[in-house]
Amino acid sequence: EDQVTQSPEALRLQEGESSSLNCSYTVSGLRGLFWYRQDPGKGPEFLFTLYSAGEEKEKERLKATLTKKESFLHITAPKPEDSATYLCAGGSARQLTFGSGTQLTVLP
Amino acid sequence: KAGVTQTPRYLIKTRGQQVTLSCSPISGHRSVSWYQQTPGQGLQFLFEYFSETQRNKGNFPGRFSGRQFSNSRSEMNVSTLELGDSALYLCASSFAGTGGNEQYFGPGTRLTVT
Repeated sequence: EDQVTQSPEALRLQEGESSSLNCSYTVSGLRGLFWYRQDPGKGPEFLFTLYSAGEEKEKERLKATLTKKESFLHITAPKPEDSATYLCAGGSARQLTFGSGTQLTVLP
Repeated sequence: KAGVTQTPRYLIKTRGQQVTLSCSPISGHRSVSWYQQTPGQGLQFLFEYFSETQRNKGNFPGRFSGRQFSNSRSEMNVSTLELGDSALYLCASSFAGTGGNEQYFGPGTRLTVT
């Protein structure tokens, strides 16, 4: 059975304090590893897709990386507007399997 | 380009009733997937439709069903509602479907069963 585990469940950072979110996955026939951002009361917003180990993608203060077993979302010098729940998901031929998310709070 | 739209946004139903939710995908996208999101279980895959055919199905009872129309719009139906069906129901559209293709989510329908 496909499984995606995210840690930590919650993270509080001071503005400007960089950190990383972890996503461990066991997905049979992985076709892509996805990162989403979800704000309260809204649907997930697509951030990145990673396809192979060693791949990296960046967008503003976010950088996603992928190994054969894990993905990391690095947040550099975060701002309060980066506060949200970050979800990762493994894509197989059948479906996307989501982790439970990391709730990030960035304090001013 | 307009995003994924879902109607209604909020719904309150009573146990035993049935409900139909609607999803309009991004123009040109042929795949629509449905998910249930609850605080306890997170985001769980319900099913995917592609070109009017159900292509994949998650581990949900037969009370949950769906369909897709020729214009790619999709509906999902839940019959004989239970309290545990209270959740945020999300649909996501994709050009080619699950796997390595990005899915773009709508705002969701918040269903409350009393």
